[in-house]
Amino acid sequence: AQSVTQLGSHVSVSEGALVLLRCNYSSSVPPYLFWYVQYPNQGLQLLLKYTTGATLVKGINGFEAEFKKSETSFHLTKPSAHMSDAAEYFCAVSTTGANSKLTFGKGITLSVRP
Amino acid sequence: DTAVSQTPKYLVTQMGNDKSIKCEQNLGHDTMYWYKQDSKKFLKIMFSYNNKELIINETVPNRFSPKSPDKAHLNLHINSLELGDSAVYFCASRERGIATVEAFFGQGTRLTVV
Repeated sequence: AQSVTQLGSHVSVSEGALVLLRCNYSSSVPPYLFWYVQYPNQGLQLLLKYTTGATLVKGINGFEAEFKKSETSFHLTKPSAHMSDAAEYFCAVSTTGANSKLTFGKGITLSVRP
Repeated sequence: DTAVSQTPKYLVTQMGNDKSIKCEQNLGHDTMYWYKQDSKKFLKIMFSYNNKELIINETVPNRFSPKSPDKAHLNLHINSLELGDSAVYFCASRERGIATVEAFFGQGTRLTVV
């Protein structure tokens, strides 16, 4: 079975500071990994995804993530936080096969201090 | 033009009532899902349908019954509502069997049972 672990439930950074949100996965097959963002009272929006190829993936709003197989990690980063980045962030792994589904981590709340 | 739309956005109802949430997608996807997000923001898959056929049923109580009249619609009917059913319910759609693609989410339905 595939799963993701997001350690910690809340990260707080100052505006302009580096954002680092951690995600580790468990998978017996090459994983397909996703980061989603959820703004208050809204649905989930895709930030970026890793499937195959380049291990450094760039997404929307200046976010990027690096797939590291040796560390089974897919951490999300942004060089400089904006107030508008405050949201809930979810890491997810896709199962394979005809009935594939997305399995989510428990999410991390990002707060940005002025 | 909304890709995945859910109605209603908010639903407040009394214990014991029966209610339905509707979902429609215009992306031409074969696969649709229902996810439940609890008060701690954890997202858990409930059901998955492929072209009107139930594929995944994640040990959800029988009071929950999904119905898919066609591949563009997936409704969720809940009987005898309980306090613990209070949550945000998300509908999502995705191309079938392609693990590398993302799921597209609706805006969610916040169900409050009083």
